[in-house]
Order: sequence, then C-alpha cells, then structure tokens
Amino acid sequence: GQNIDQPTEMTATEGAIVQINCTYQTSGFNGLFWYQQHAGEAPTFLSYNVLDGLEEKGRFSSFLSRSKGYSYLLLKELQMKDSASYLCAVKDSNYQLIWGAGTKLIIKP
Amino acid sequence: GAVVSQHPSWVICKSGTSVKIECRSLDFQATTMFWYRQFPKQSLMLMATSNEGSKATYEQGVEKDKFLINHASLTLSTLTVTSAHPEDSSFYICSANRGMNTEAFFGQGTRLTVV
Repeated sequence: GQNIDQPTEMTATEGAIVQINCTYQTSGFNGLFWYQQHAGEAPTFLSYNVLDGLEEKGRFSSFLSRSKGYSYLLLKELQMKDSASYLCAVKDSNYQLIWGAGTKLIIKP
Repeated sequence: GAVVSQHPSWVICKSGTSVKIECRSLDFQATTMFWYRQFPKQSLMLMATSNEGSKATYEQGVEKDKFLINHASLTLSTLTVTSAHPEDSSFYICSANRGMNTEAFFGQGTRLTVV
C-alpha cells in the first residue's frame, strides 16, 4: 500500500528553527509537495521537490532524498502566524496526490 | 497565479435536503478537478476525481449516488450532497492543477453543517 508518515504534532519557540520530517512509500514518484493549512481553511502551497536536494524559499526550505523516501520542511525565524498544520503529499505514478495526515505545529512565545 | 474559487464557504441545511457546492478555476482550464472531505483534526480524504465531459471516478467507500459530481465545462465542477444527514457534516474542499507536474490549487473550502 501507499503510505506517508509525518509527526502528529510539534512544538517550537518563536524565533527558532523547526524541521518537520516526512517519509513515504508510494507506487512511483512524480514529486513531493508541502502545504500549510490553518484551522478551518484550505491548504496553501509551500514547496515542490522532484529532484534530490534543497529548495529554499524565504524562511521556508524543503529537502528531498528520493533514494531514502524522505523529505523535510525547514522553517526558520518562526513567527506566531506559522502555527498551522503542515501537510506532506506525494504524486504517485498515476499523478494522484497521496496525502500525509499532517503535522500540527504549535509556536510558543 | 492560478486561482480556484469554491462556493459557498459555509452552508447549514436540514436533514434530508440536498446541497450543491461549486468549484471554478478562474484563470485556467481544468480537465480534472478533485473533491476532498476533511473531518476535524484529520487529513484530507480524496472523495472523487471529476473529469470534464465524462463520469467522475469515486474512491472506495464513497457513494456515487449520494455525492453527485458534474464537470460540465473546463472551468466548473459541482458536488451535490443528496439527502444530507448529520454525519455528512464536514469540510469539503476542491482542487485543480494547471498541469500534471504542477501544484494543486485549492478552493476556499465549504463548511457543511447538517442539522
């Protein structure tokens, strides 16, 4: 079966750095996505990785290792507004998105 | 950037009635749109894939006669929850991709409450 694992919840301090990990086992791979979802709202796109390595976009970076079936989302200089759920999703061989359960990130002052 | 608009944002209906939710791609054509349901504190659950000009593809366990999907044009897909019951109360979200290797753009979501 297809599976995406990420921690259920993480806590971090305002101004600090946090890394959210995601591991996946899917039938084929056509890219990995990270989305942010605030409570009661639809997900918003953060990053897309299809090749190994690090993609940096402002305070957010995403890393991919296809051989290890592993990705992480790195958030720097945390702000209170970063409190949200972060969803990892992989496109399989049929280009269907397989979603992780999401990681709820709690930022404390 | 690409925008997907979903309407209504929230709706309250009585048990036994039907509710229609619209999903529009505003600045691109979408031959395929996706409908998700999300219960509180849970992840997105794909309900069905809406295909323009043909029947929708439903995920296992989703009743196609209860959740009617119509994708009559390249910019509009509708989801109708028929004979709604309180257990259908959920957050329904649609998404569309501009291309196969691009990110999914989500509508704003519809909070359905059946009383």
